[in-house]
Amino acid sequence: RKEVEQDPGPFNVPEGATVAFNCTYSNSASQSFFWYRQDCRKEPKLLMSVYSSGNEDGRFTAQLNRASQYISLLIRDSKLSDSATYLCVVNSRGATNKLIFGTGTLLAVQP
Amino acid sequence: DAGVIQSPRHEVTEMGQEVTLRCKLISGHNSLFWYRQTMMRGLELLIYFNNNVPIDDSGMPEDRFSAKMPNASFSTLKIQPSEPRDSAVYFCASSFGSDQPQHFGDGTRLSIL
Repeated sequence: RKEVEQDPGPFNVPEGATVAFNCTYSNSASQSFFWYRQDCRKEPKLLMSVYSSGNEDGRFTAQLNRASQYISLLIRDSKLSDSATYLCVVNSRGATNKLIFGTGTLLAVQP
Repeated sequence: DAGVIQSPRHEVTEMGQEVTLRCKLISGHNSLFWYRQTMMRGLELLIYFNNNVPIDDSGMPEDRFSAKMPNASFSTLKIQPSEPRDSAVYFCASSFGSDQPQHFGDGTRLSIL
């Protein structure tokens, strides 16, 4: 089982729609969770950290469910500029403590 | 503030040649990561350093790849000899700790002919 798993998509949604991505992780000892965004032919960029109580940044809401070992990202009122790949990131508490990146979920917002 | 700086941005070379990729960390960061990204395999961690010391090099494909961190702000990734299957985008990232958010450079697009 992969340490971090995401649905690769693509998610094709119309402008203004609400879309949600889930990501599951295998290590119950993980403590740090993030969502990154990667545009085509660009570097990954930090979108937001994910806190235990859930957190919101404008149209973006991140949630953590420790019992089921998944994190989610909700995007409200989708914009064309939201089209990108969204990477789920979890820290690995194995022999070395490092971040594990998921393979990403592709979002395409249609006009 | 300057972000992570990578050079070159693009490299095209013939197989068998030595390739050296360079990375300058964000000032004050103490963790440095080298990644490779391809369509088929996604983003793969090759190696990372904490305080200039290599911690995990389990992602380095083979002996043709080597990475160094001669000082706290600079790192190199070397491929010798290069092969066509090494063609990918290579990213360098830095952070304030190995489990903290990482900041990526623009990447080096490497093509081995």
